Amino acid sequence: DADVTQTPRNRITKTGKRIMLECSQTKGHDRMYWYRQDPGLGLRLIYYSFDVKDINKGEISDGYSVSRQAQAKFSLSLESAIPNQTALYFCATSDPTRGTGELFFGEGSRLTVL
Amino acid sequence: DAKTTQPNSMESNEEEPVHLPCNHSTISGTDYIHWYRQLPSQGPEYVIHGLTSNVNNRMASLAIAEDRKSSTLILHRATLRDAAVYYCILRDRGNTPLVFGKGTRLSVIA
Repeated sequence: DADVTQTPRNRITKTGKRIMLECSQTKGHDRMYWYRQDPGLGLRLIYYSFDVKDINKGEISDGYSVSRQAQAKFSLSLESAIPNQTALYFCATSDPTRGTGELFFGEGSRLTVL
Repeated sequence: DAKTTQPNSMESNEEEPVHLPCNHSTISGTDYIHWYRQLPSQGPEYVIHGLTSNVNNRMASLAIAEDRKSSTLILHRATLRDAAVYYCILRDRGNTPLVFGKGTRLSVIA
């Protein structure tokens, strides 16, 4: 089983719908992140959380919200989806106190907004 | 955030060494140099990181210039599985999230 699991892996929705992407992890890491990737571009940070009580905006947070329900769960919501939110979304976790402090990514959630 | 500059794409023959360059002329004294790669249809994965000295691990080597304004990721023998986008990222002591650029797309030719 993957250490960082994202659901759903693929989703097609319509403009104006509310969408939630979920991320769960079994690594025991405090830090969790949501990134967005558009074709041919690198990843851009949407939101991040350094612990259950901490939520921070990234470089492109407009139109998104997050919820850190527990250490292991970090959800990304699109309250009213629009077509330019069509993208590949990645969740990641890290723990700077362990090893290299590297980020571990999920396999991605592909969202299409029609 | 300090920026990095990488070539958009590079090509290598299978079983040949690959040197992936990265320029970071505005690096600060506390910035670590991180490399991640993203295989097709997967999330990025950590490759290596360093501060001042050259580093080696089972995946790659990282050569850092003496003035730290540039670095090179070295894959000693490229395989088809190494075809990916490689990202060079500056990061302080682990307290800030990673900021990804566009990276270098490496193609490996059999």
